[in-house]
Amino acid sequence: DIVMTQSPLSLPVTPGEPASISCRSSQSLLHANGHDYLDWYLQKPGQSPQVLIYLGSHRASGVPDRFSGSGSGTDFTLRISRVEAEDVGVYYCMQALQTPLTFGGGTKVEIK
Amino acid sequence: QLQLQESGPGLVKPSETLSLTCTVSGGSISSNDFYWGWIRQSPGKGLEWIGSITYSGSTFYNPSLKSRVTLSVDTSKNQFSLKLHSVTAADTAVYYCARPRAAVAGGDWFDPWGQGALVTVSS
Repeated sequence: DIVMTQSPLSLPVTPGEPASISCRSSQSLLHANGHDYLDWYLQKPGQSPQVLIYLGSHRASGVPDRFSGSGSGTDFTLRISRVEAEDVGVYYCMQALQTPLTFGGGTKVEIK
Repeated sequence: QLQLQESGPGLVKPSETLSLTCTVSGGSISSNDFYWGWIRQSPGKGLEWIGSITYSGSTFYNPSLKSRVTLSVDTSKNQFSLKLHSVTAADTAVYYCARPRAAVAGGDWFDPWGQGALVTVSS
């Protein structure tokens, strides 16, 4: 199975400041078609996860442009350009290259 | 707008079968482009993909659960279902149904998700 490792586990943030989360995979997620098969999800308190980024860097419909995904191969980063209070929750990365699909352990973002 | 809703018993006894149904509204489960999936979330193991199924019944299972899982689709009711056999306390989790937006392990991402159903395994 592909192991997904996120860091940090917890991220205190200040509203208006940038934030970034790292995700590393145990195998390259770069497909022959040039896309990285890596997604990012946010699970807000009391809610189901919601997709933010798919195929490494594509923002899902309705996701604010302060969220961006970057990286390739085995190293990926989710960036929030200016954190807002509504961005608190747990962020997960997921690899979609091979079954079983696997998730990172999550990064909890909270306001300082 | 596509919406998914899980339903089923919230308490299952050890060694019995966990059964959940996901009702799809706002769209047809029979679309050629659609896959349908199940994911669970437990404190001990985080988010875990259980499996996915096409409207025609082709299935893809997590090998760690494959021997105990059955996925099925009922196009007449616009529903798909999960059965997990021989459950133990380790199967206690919130179970989500969700729609993969591409082929399984083909760069798929899950959107939307149901609200989740908490299932507790206890005697």
